[in-house]
Amino acid sequence: EAGVAQSPRYKIIEKRQSVAFWCNPISGHATLYWYQQILGQGPKLLIQFQNNGVVDDSQLPKDRFSAERLKGVDSTLKIQPAKLEDSAVYLCASSDPKGVAQYFGPGTRLLVL
Amino acid sequence: AQSVTQLGSHVSVSEGALVLLRCNYSSSVPPYLFWYVQYPNQGLQLLLKYTSAATLVKGINGFEAEFKKSETSFHLTKPSAHMSDAAEYFCAVSLNTGTASKLTFGTGTRLQVTL
Repeated sequence: EAGVAQSPRYKIIEKRQSVAFWCNPISGHATLYWYQQILGQGPKLLIQFQNNGVVDDSQLPKDRFSAERLKGVDSTLKIQPAKLEDSAVYLCASSDPKGVAQYFGPGTRLLVL
Repeated sequence: AQSVTQLGSHVSVSEGALVLLRCNYSSSVPPYLFWYVQYPNQGLQLLLKYTSAATLVKGINGFEAEFKKSETSFHLTKPSAHMSDAAEYFCAVSLNTGTASKLTFGTGTRLQVTL
């Protein structure tokens, strides 16, 4: 069974630029999550989707971050414009509605200069 | 609200020694509890999970954890450390709703294994 796929793996941009990350969850997993992991900290949930609907985006900085999952499968997370403090690893995870565990992708490491 | 506290940001053990990584949780309702491992430049891998069945949970790579409600703890142990166990370990909690929900993570414990 293929795991959660993410791209790109690494991205370096300058502040005020925009960037987008892509995630493909495990096949059949209806729930998809985006987490932000700042160096030295545990991951923090940004947004949770159930199929193509948003379940929880209370921690998403909506003035600069946006996410979509139009067809209920792949998802894109965008930052526009980026700030220095957005430097982090962005992790995508998915889960089966019948299960309780989340399975994580390898992450995208973002550096904002 | 839920939270997790991991005691000790760094733990060092000798190869072959007991590994003990501490996790205490706070939750207003019965929780689900998880341990994840993260190797350098990789995502998080699920080690084990507690979902209100057996209180002693066995996971992959010889790890196990025991849910102790009276102590609000879910410590991770392994009888004999191996060099390949060196990594960052995260404890996490979620609501016991019967399905997957938002994870709240601790700050992590970096395990170093020495010869």
